[in-house]
Amino acid sequence: DAGITQSPRHKVTETGTPVTLRCHQTENHRYMYWYRQDPGHGLRLIHYSYGVKDTDKGEVSDGYSVSRSKTEDFLLTLESATSSQTSVYFCAISDRGHPSYEQYFGPGTRLTVT
Amino acid sequence: EDKVVQSPLSLVVHEGDTVTLNCSYEVTNFRSLLWYKQEKKAPTFLFMLTSSGIEKKSGRLSSILDKKELFSILNITATQTGDSAIYLCAVTNAGGTSYGKLTFGQGTILTVHP
Repeated sequence: DAGITQSPRHKVTETGTPVTLRCHQTENHRYMYWYRQDPGHGLRLIHYSYGVKDTDKGEVSDGYSVSRSKTEDFLLTLESATSSQTSVYFCAISDRGHPSYEQYFGPGTRLTVT
Repeated sequence: EDKVVQSPLSLVVHEGDTVTLNCSYEVTNFRSLLWYKQEKKAPTFLFMLTSSGIEKKSGRLSSILDKKELFSILNITATQTGDSAIYLCAVTNAGGTSYGKLTFGQGTILTVHP
């Protein structure tokens, strides 16, 4: 398995509170991604990073921000959590130099916003 | 906007049956199509299909890509209860700033009964 960890693995928080999810990799891959998974929607890209301090928005970025100060860490922040952000969040990594563009996924974080 | 549609959304079969899962796509600058299997955890990579590799096989699983008609199928023969999972199809866009972003379909939930 690719060396990807996510923390926390489960979190329950109240509406309006800030939340930060962490993705940590030991593969030294350049590209990192945050997805959310909801029933009927598959996985949807929130934000991605193509290097330290280089990030861009995905298709469902509203209400989320990210930061990447080190190659190995990619943080996802919900500035003010809402119930619509209750979801399972997956981090993924990729080495674009690899011809397959394959992405390896972390174990996920289940977030519940009450 | 890139789009992936999978069908059926759910499927229930008995052990030993053969199943075919469908994935159609629209992408502005197609690079590859990937299949993932997701049990109660992170998606795991199954196959990647590109212009130079339109057919893949691994044990009881096989997949083909039709670039002209813009679809792919995933076949599973002699199904087992361990094949029960969500099967996700995704495409990558080779456009300039895409950085290997994956666009996923909704997934097909496969349930295999003994």
